[in-house]
Amino acid sequence: NAGVTQTPKFQVLKTGQSMTLQCAQDMNHEYMSWYRQDPGMGLRLIHYSVGAGITDQGEVPNGYNVSRSTTEDFPLRLLSAAPSQTSVYFCASSPILGSTSGNTIYFGEGSWLTVV
Amino acid sequence: SQKIEQNSEALNIQEGKTATLTCNYTNYSPAYLQWYRQDPGRGPVFLLLIRENEKEKRKERLKVTFDTTLKQSLFHITASQPADSATYLCALFTGGGNKLTFGTGTQLKVEL
Repeated sequence: NAGVTQTPKFQVLKTGQSMTLQCAQDMNHEYMSWYRQDPGMGLRLIHYSVGAGITDQGEVPNGYNVSRSTTEDFPLRLLSAAPSQTSVYFCASSPILGSTSGNTIYFGEGSWLTVV
Repeated sequence: SQKIEQNSEALNIQEGKTATLTCNYTNYSPAYLQWYRQDPGRGPVFLLLIRENEKEKRKERLKVTFDTTLKQSLFHITASQPADSATYLCALFTGGGNKLTFGTGTQLKVEL
């Protein structure tokens, strides 16, 4: 089992460029999400999906798009990169976050993005 | 406003002592709370989950308590080792919206 796989690991972008961060999981999880992590801010939810064809916004969605065409893949698109999007991005997956059952979220290893 | 607070200052303790980390929250009614460990340059790794109707949970050298009246969770590592040095994150799930909200984490350093 590979778990949650993110690519690329490191990327430098120029302001205004677009790019896609790839995320794939092989655990047949329904729930997938993208977080960004900045010093002193913790992990902040960008977008999430509860299944193929269903996506929703998190806490900081502006400047990012997502789609979920398959259960396995959940790419994050930066439409027009800005220096404020310099961050570490984590993709995560889980069985659906039940209200009382509780489920573990499995994180990828992160993608370091610098926008200059 | 909703807030999850973890001590932003690093916690330095000696090997063999018990480390205690705190997670306080306001304006949440969490269905459960989780603790994660994060090593530098890596993604967070799940450690423990405690539900709103549970007071305490244990796993090997780890113990988590959950006081919904105080709106606080305590995370204990007994007989701490240098290998326990990492950042520890708490996260709350409130039962709606399929969202897990994270605190900013506390860095633990266990010294010989």
